[in-house]
Amino acid sequence: AQTVTQSQPEMSVQEAETVTLSCTYDTSESDYYLFWYKQPPSRQMILVIRQEAYKQQNATENRFSVNFQKAAKSFSLKISDSQLGDAAMYFCAFDMDSNYQLIWGAGTKLIIKP
Amino acid sequence: EPEVTQTPSHQVTQMGQEVILRCVPISNHLYFYWYRQILGQKVEFLVSFYNNEISEKSEIFDDQFSVERPDGSNFTLKIRSTKLEDSAMYFCASTPRLNNEQFFGPGTRLTVL
Repeated sequence: AQTVTQSQPEMSVQEAETVTLSCTYDTSESDYYLFWYKQPPSRQMILVIRQEAYKQQNATENRFSVNFQKAAKSFSLKISDSQLGDAAMYFCAFDMDSNYQLIWGAGTKLIIKP
Repeated sequence: EPEVTQTPSHQVTQMGQEVILRCVPISNHLYFYWYRQILGQKVEFLVSFYNNEISEKSEIFDDQFSVERPDGSNFTLKIRSTKLEDSAMYFCASTPRLNNEQFFGPGTRLTVL
């Protein structure tokens, strides 16, 4: 069975600094998709970034980028120039090819210090 | 920008009562999902729905749960006889194709007393 592990229950970073959130996963599949979702206090789930496993190039989205290490089954999220609005729970999620569900990590609470 | 909507935002019910949570997915999406998140815990998959039938369901989704797409727009989750442990945030999501971003609604907070 596929599992997703986020080992950092909470992280804090100074505003304007860079922070990296870690995520590892376990699967025997070769084709899959990885996501980072953000959940602010409103509890709305918002996509931050998506990575396709067959792509070697790391996905980037403005201040958000990932370090995807397929062999190590690692998918970390880097947030550059952290802003107060980045404060939220961040969930890593895994989607197997032709599968119908997202498998979620436990989440990391990100605190931004002004 | 199109978005997934859910009603009600908060539902309070007595144990043993039936509840129906409603979702309106984005109109051109084909795949629909329900997830739940017990307070402070991880998000859990409940069920996926495609082409008017359940495509996958988790162990949580037992006989007490059912889903329906009664018309071209609504997607409902029914819990027949609620238990205390059903108290959670329930999220509906939709996507136009598999493995794409799933678009989430704002959630319904279900409180079972």
